[in-house]
Amino acid sequence: GEDVEQSLFLSVREGDSSVINCTYTDSSSTYLYWYKQEPGAGLQLLTYIFSNMDMKQDQRLTVLLNKKDKHLSLRIADTQTGDSAIYFCAENRGTGKLIFGQGTTLQVKP
Amino acid sequence: DTEVTQTPKHLVMGMTNKKSLKCEQHMGHRAMYWYKQKAKKPPELMFVYSYEKLSINESVPSRFSPECPNSSLLNLHLHALQPEDSALYLCASSPGLGSDTQYFGPGTRLTVL
Repeated sequence: GEDVEQSLFLSVREGDSSVINCTYTDSSSTYLYWYKQEPGAGLQLLTYIFSNMDMKQDQRLTVLLNKKDKHLSLRIADTQTGDSAIYFCAENRGTGKLIFGQGTTLQVKP
Repeated sequence: DTEVTQTPKHLVMGMTNKKSLKCEQHMGHRAMYWYKQKAKKPPELMFVYSYEKLSINESVPSRFSPECPNSSLLNLHLHALQPEDSALYLCASSPGLGSDTQYFGPGTRLTVL
């Protein structure tokens, strides 16, 4: 199908790791993105991964890409209350049009 | 500097009003985008400009009229909107089209009465 899929909700305790999963559809997608949206705000680019990479690490964030299964994940280490937000994965099929998942709401409990 | 700015932050308008949303970037990007986002949903692409020319129009009603006066500015003119047009309107820019990374502004929260 045409959809990028994400689970809708994840709840973790402060200090735990969070893993947000995404499946995408187009094996020819060149870049895959994670955006964070806090309430009332725009989309903040968190990180992205090029399709020929398996993993990318940036401080507390680790992105894993399984191209065979078209599966993307975002791991946040030592999750803080400030990480509470909606996380969108998106694929870029090279047309200028981003295809977004439905967004995963991350709730961090103290 | 990866900043896209949008004004106003909030806008309330009646169905007979004419208003405009503004977006600006100074990153030298040549592609700019308008998205509409309803609560708890992902952004939906409306328009794409590349080198100041309209490149993509996602079958948006004519009551929304985009304009790109120069490479740094993008406007969205609004006229005769409906209450269901109330949403967060996001602007984004990227160095070029294709696979380039898009950077988003903070959005304008529009309420149509």
